[in-house]
Amino acid sequence: SQTIHQWPATLVQPVGSPLSLECTVEGTSNPNLYWYRQAAGRGLQLLFYSVGIGQISSEVPQNLSASRPQDRQFILSSKKLLLSDSGFYLCAWTSSGTAPNFYGYTFGSGTRLTVV
Amino acid sequence: GENVEQHPSTLSVQEGDSAVIKCTYSDSASNYFPWYKQELGKRPQLIIDIRSNVGEKKDQRIAVTLNKTAKHFSLHITETQPEDSAVYFCAASTGNQFYFGTGTSLTVIP
Repeated sequence: SQTIHQWPATLVQPVGSPLSLECTVEGTSNPNLYWYRQAAGRGLQLLFYSVGIGQISSEVPQNLSASRPQDRQFILSSKKLLLSDSGFYLCAWTSSGTAPNFYGYTFGSGTRLTVV
Repeated sequence: GENVEQHPSTLSVQEGDSAVIKCTYSDSASNYFPWYKQELGKRPQLIIDIRSNVGEKKDQRIAVTLNKTAKHFSLHITETQPEDSAVYFCAASTGNQFYFGTGTSLTVIP
């Protein structure tokens, strides 16, 4: 069966420090991978998605970047964190392709980032 | 791109009553509509989904309906229980991307 791992679960970082969040998927190949951010009490904002190694699409301009160095690994990074980067970050995957071969996202357990 | 609107933003019901959450979408090419439940501090989890070739789908106490002509779909929860309290998100997809609604915070009052 497929599983998705995301770490760390919580993170407190000072303003101006770098960030690296990692997400890996097991049990599937060539997944579509996504990074979302959720501010407190708010909806899900798509940050990046990737349909293959080295292929990254950015949804909103921001202080963050993403990379996909391996088929089942997705990394969210920042060189210098801002206070506004605080939030709940969720990685997600779905199978590649279109209906009927794909289904709803499976989300990772999330990383709660607090920038102080 | 796709625009998904979700209503209401908050909903309170008495235990045992029904709850209905409605979403509309703008892109007629959207063909997959999942619903997610997110409990406080946890990840969203898929609870039910529907594809564009189906008008209604049920799974025990939850059901989803889709009106492609009107471009809206709804989540129905019957016989609500306190554990149904959570934030619910709808989404629409044409393929690689999912567009989420802004969420509905459902409170079931015992």
